Amino acid sequence: GAGVSQSPSNKVTEKGKDVELRCDPISGHTALYWYRQSLGQGLEFLIYFQGNSAPDKSGLPSDRFSAERTGGSVSTLTIQRTQQEDSAVYLCASRLTGGSYNEQFFGPGTRLTVL
Amino acid sequence: RKEVEQDPGPFNVPEGATVAFNCTYSNSASQSFFWYRQDCRKEPKLLMSVYSSGNEDGRFTAQLNRASQYISLLIRDSKLSDSATYLCVVNNNAGNMLTFGGGTRLMVKP
Repeated sequence: GAGVSQSPSNKVTEKGKDVELRCDPISGHTALYWYRQSLGQGLEFLIYFQGNSAPDKSGLPSDRFSAERTGGSVSTLTIQRTQQEDSAVYLCASRLTGGSYNEQFFGPGTRLTVL
Repeated sequence: RKEVEQDPGPFNVPEGATVAFNCTYSNSASQSFFWYRQDCRKEPKLLMSVYSSGNEDGRFTAQLNRASQYISLLIRDSKLSDSATYLCVVNNNAGNMLTFGGGTRLMVKP
C-alpha cells in the first residue's frame, strides 16, 4: 500500500520567506511526527500529533515553527521568516497506535535550502 | 546526558567481518526498543525490533540488557550493502514517543 508521502521533495527559498511543508501519513495511522535532520546529524524531534489530543510541541526550536494536522490526517509544517540555519531535511513519520512495537514509517523527506 | 546514546563511528570493517554496536538509554521505564537503518540521503527504515529475550534475523542479532540499560546489534558476515547509519530507538513511555539515538555509521570495505 501507499507509504508516507511528503511534498515538495525539494524547496529552495530566500531568507525571510515563509514555507509550508506537507505530509500525508499512512491511512489509519493516528500518530504523526515531524523531525529535522541537518547534514550528517541525527534526527531532531520537532512535534508529535496523536489523534485528537493536543500536539506535543516540545521540540519546536522557535515560535517561527508551527504545525497543524487537519482532520486527523494530512499535516502541514510551517516555517515563518526562514533563516539559513533552517536548512535541513524535514522528515515526517506516522505510526499505528495500540502496540508498543508498532513500526514508525518515514516519508522521503523535504530538503529545505534557505539562501 | 542524552536519553539515547550511540558511538557515532564510523566503524570501518572489511567484508565478512563481524561488527557490534551498543546503545545506552537513560530511562529505566523504557518499554520497547528498535534498530533502524538509514542509508545516505534516505529516510530511516526499521531494521528490527529488540525483544527482551533477544532476537535474530539472518545475519543480524539484537540483544537487550535492561539491568544495564543497553541494546546491542551484531552483524555477522558483513556485506558492502550493510554500509549505512544504524539508529537505536527507544519508546520511552506508554504512549507513542520514540527517541532516536544519533546513529552509528558503518562502512564495509571490499
